[in-house]
Amino acid sequence: ETGVTQTPRHLVMGMTNKKSLKCEQHLGHNAMYWYKQSAKKPLELMFVYNFKEQTENNSVPSRFSPECPNSSHLFLHLHTLQPEDSALYLCASSPGTSGGADTQYFGPGTRLTVL
Amino acid sequence: GQNIDQPTEMTATEGAIVQINCTYQTSGFNGLFWYQQHAGEAPTFLSYNVLDGLEEKGRFSSFLSRSKGYSYLLLKELQMKDSASYLCAVRDGDYKLSFGAGTTVTVRA
Repeated sequence: ETGVTQTPRHLVMGMTNKKSLKCEQHLGHNAMYWYKQSAKKPLELMFVYNFKEQTENNSVPSRFSPECPNSSHLFLHLHTLQPEDSALYLCASSPGTSGGADTQYFGPGTRLTVL
Repeated sequence: GQNIDQPTEMTATEGAIVQINCTYQTSGFNGLFWYQQHAGEAPTFLSYNVLDGLEEKGRFSSFLSRSKGYSYLLLKELQMKDSASYLCAVRDGDYKLSFGAGTTVTVRA
């Protein structure tokens, strides 16, 4: 596997379910990100981890809980979601060098539907 | 807050040129990125500008004017495979990227 992978690619869950999204990067990067992409809206940054430490939480509701056990893996734990949380959830990674040219590389995303 | 504007949709003919404009008002500026996203796929990196001027990469070029808060992505010799959404993003700090809503380009035969 190369690049950034995400599993599952599609997920349907009820509002009372608990599920987790997984992201893995094979690029040797130090920073990882979770984004939410809704139709016709800009990508919304949710969380940033740099060297396993959370450096950004963009006012995300507590029903989304990130976990970064190491620089290669990132999880997003989901519980008691709402239908408006249905979206494409994208993971990205970057080398983590502070500064402008730190390019983010994206995974294919998990298409989440909350019933 | 951050404000990044780009047109919603553009249509062009195969072999033609299309220019996608992006204007931004952000609290800081540490570079501007363009990404391409095909439907159902990951955004892929196209270009990065931090200094004023034009950066050329094959059929794609990106321009930046920091004083005007303006960038454009120029796609030349359009091909059908260029039909996609093009995302403008500004880095306003160390890591955070703020994205525009994207411009959907449709290439017609």
